[in-house]
Amino acid sequence: AQSVTQPDIHITVSEGASLELRCNYSYGATPYLFWYVQSPGQGLQLLLKYFSGDTLVQGIKGFEAEFKRSQSSFNLRKPSVHWSDAAEYFCAVYSGAGSYQLTFGKGTKLSVIP
Amino acid sequence: DGGITQSPKYLFRKEGQNVTLSCEQNLNHDAMYWYRQDPGQGLRLIYYSQIVNDFQKGDIAEGYSVSREKKESFPLTVTSAQKNPTAFYLCASKDRGSGPQHFGDGTRLSIL
Repeated sequence: AQSVTQPDIHITVSEGASLELRCNYSYGATPYLFWYVQSPGQGLQLLLKYFSGDTLVQGIKGFEAEFKRSQSSFNLRKPSVHWSDAAEYFCAVYSGAGSYQLTFGKGTKLSVIP
Repeated sequence: DGGITQSPKYLFRKEGQNVTLSCEQNLNHDAMYWYRQDPGQGLRLIYYSQIVNDFQKGDIAEGYSVSREKKESFPLTVTSAQKNPTAFYLCASKDRGSGPQHFGDGTRLSIL
C-alpha cells in the first residue's frame, strides 16, 4: 500500500535561514506528488506538484521541491524563510489508479523565529 | 470567484444527534472528497465521489454518510454511530484527470 512519511514533526528556523522539509513516499508506479500548506484553522493550499518531467519543480511563495526516484523522496525547500511561512506542511501522493485518492503524510509544523 | 465553500465553520453536536456538513463548489469539478483531520494524524479520506449519484467509501467511512445529487454539492452527515466525531473536516474537489485537489476552509465539529 502507498504511504507518505514526513520524518520531522516540528521544525524551527530563523527568519532568513534556508529550509528543507523531508518527504519519503512508497508507491509502486510513477508517483504524482504534492506539497500543501495549511495555516491554523484554514484549508490546504497547493504549493507545488510533480507529475513527470523535470525533477526540480517550482511552486508558489518561492518554494521548490526535488523528486529523487532513487531515494523515494520529494523534499521541499526554500532558500530564505519569511515569518509568514510559519504553518503546517503536508506532503501527499495520488493513489488508486483512476480514483486519484490522496494519501497524506502526517505533516511538519514550521515555526519561524524573528 | 470560483472556489469551495464549506459551512458552517464551527458546528456542535449533542450526543445521539446526526449533523450535516455542507460542501459546495462552483469550479465545475467532477470529483469531490471528504477528509477528516486530527492533530498529528494528517488527513484521512472519509468518502469520495467521482460523478453525480455515485460515491465510494474511503479509509474511515464508518459512522459517516454522504450524497451526491448535484455536481456542485457533496454534503457529509456525521451520524450518532460515529463515537469520536470531534475533528476538523475538509472538503476537496478536482477536475477530470490527474490535476490537484482543491480544498475548502474546513468545518470544525465539536461535541457538546
